[in-house]
Amino acid sequence: RKEVEQDPGPFNVPEGATVAFNCTYSNSASQSFFWYRQDCRKEPKLLMSVYSSGNEDGRFTAQLNRASQYISLLIRDSKLSDSATYLCVVAASGSARQLTFGSGTQLTVLP
Amino acid sequence: DAGVTQSPTHLIKTRGQQVTLRCSPKSGHDTVSWYQQALGQGPQFIFQYYEEEERQRGNFPDRFSGHQFPNYSSELNVNALLLGDSALYLCASSLFGGRVDGELFFGEGSRLTVL
Repeated sequence: RKEVEQDPGPFNVPEGATVAFNCTYSNSASQSFFWYRQDCRKEPKLLMSVYSSGNEDGRFTAQLNRASQYISLLIRDSKLSDSATYLCVVAASGSARQLTFGSGTQLTVLP
Repeated sequence: DAGVTQSPTHLIKTRGQQVTLRCSPKSGHDTVSWYQQALGQGPQFIFQYYEEEERQRGNFPDRFSGHQFPNYSSELNVNALLLGDSALYLCASSLFGGRVDGELFFGEGSRLTVL
């Protein structure tokens, strides 16, 4: 079993749609959680950190459920520029940011 | 403010050869981590260097080795290349002892093809 598992995708959605990505992690010692975005043939970039209380950044909302070891990302009012691969990422306690990445979910927003 | 820079951007090697990849961290950062990203997969942690020492290592064989220099730059060396080593190699920099949820900054990567 992979340490971080994501929806396989790909997701193809029309502009303006709401899309949700899910992710589960197996290491209960995981301490920090993130969503990274990776454009085609580019490096990953931090989209947002994920906190137990949930957090929102504009059209993006991230949720964490530690009991279920489940992380989600919701994108509202999708834009063409949101097309990318979204990577679910966890870091174990004391890992000094040794990140474990999921395989990613590819999103294509269609005009 | 220079971000993370990596070289070369692309390279082609044959099986059995050796390769060296280079990374300069973001200004002000002292820690360099290396990741391997195979096609269609997420990045996998190789190792991390701080104060010129390997601090953490992922599940990679000894063919993968590294070095960090006094100016914080780093090299990744891979010996006896296999076809399966073909991947994008990403360098990430950070500040050791910073917030656990602090951001890692990635370079654009070195794309290695092994024939």
